[in-house]
Amino acid sequence: GAVVSQHPSWVICKSGTSVKIECRSLDFQATTMFWYRQFPKQSLMLMATSNEGSKATYEQGVEKDKFLINHASLTLSTLTVTSAHPEDSSFYICSVTGTSGDRISTDTQYFGPGTRLTVL
Amino acid sequence: GESVGLHLPTLSVQEGDNSIINCAYSNSASDYFIWYKQESGKGPQFIIDIRSNMDKRQGQRVTVLLNKTVKHLSLQIAATQPGDSAVYFCAESLGQGGKLIFGQGTELSVKP
Repeated sequence: GAVVSQHPSWVICKSGTSVKIECRSLDFQATTMFWYRQFPKQSLMLMATSNEGSKATYEQGVEKDKFLINHASLTLSTLTVTSAHPEDSSFYICSVTGTSGDRISTDTQYFGPGTRLTVL
Repeated sequence: GESVGLHLPTLSVQEGDNSIINCAYSNSASDYFIWYKQESGKGPQFIIDIRSNMDKRQGQRVTVLLNKTVKHLSLQIAATQPGDSAVYFCAESLGQGGKLIFGQGTELSVKP
């Protein structure tokens, strides 16, 4: 598989501030990364698909101006939650997948450990 | 669309018994299926996958069965151990790098 890290693992912030979450692919150059959100006792909800060097593709209902995604390199994608509010409190998880010819398939996603965001 | 549940189904088994976790998927065109294990406060961990041209695949202590006729997927865990306690999610995709659609998850509890 692929080894994925996220930083920070947890963050508490005040309402109205912005928070940046990093997702790093440690042993693999990830052309494509995904960002998910998960509320307690619920499933994973895809927020956006991030391709290196291009704009992210957001899922319906996800505000692109609120959840800024930057995938500037093959090993790093960032998610910035702008003007965070208590309803943005959630568990944010990224994943990576391969491209054709890579050692990991284009279909399998390998996940990071997640970031717990709490907005006061 | 994505499956979101208000509560997780639970399965409680005795240590050493076999566990069977079931999943109904939504899209008959789905070509690729994965099972993930998620422990509390952690990201999902890949367990096993299967493509639509197969109906069974075995890993270490785990077996995935696919029944395309009724759009059903199951995960069998042999000799369940306390360390297997977690939430298990199935996911489907159309393949070719397509999005994963996650099921609602099942919480497995292993009693010593």
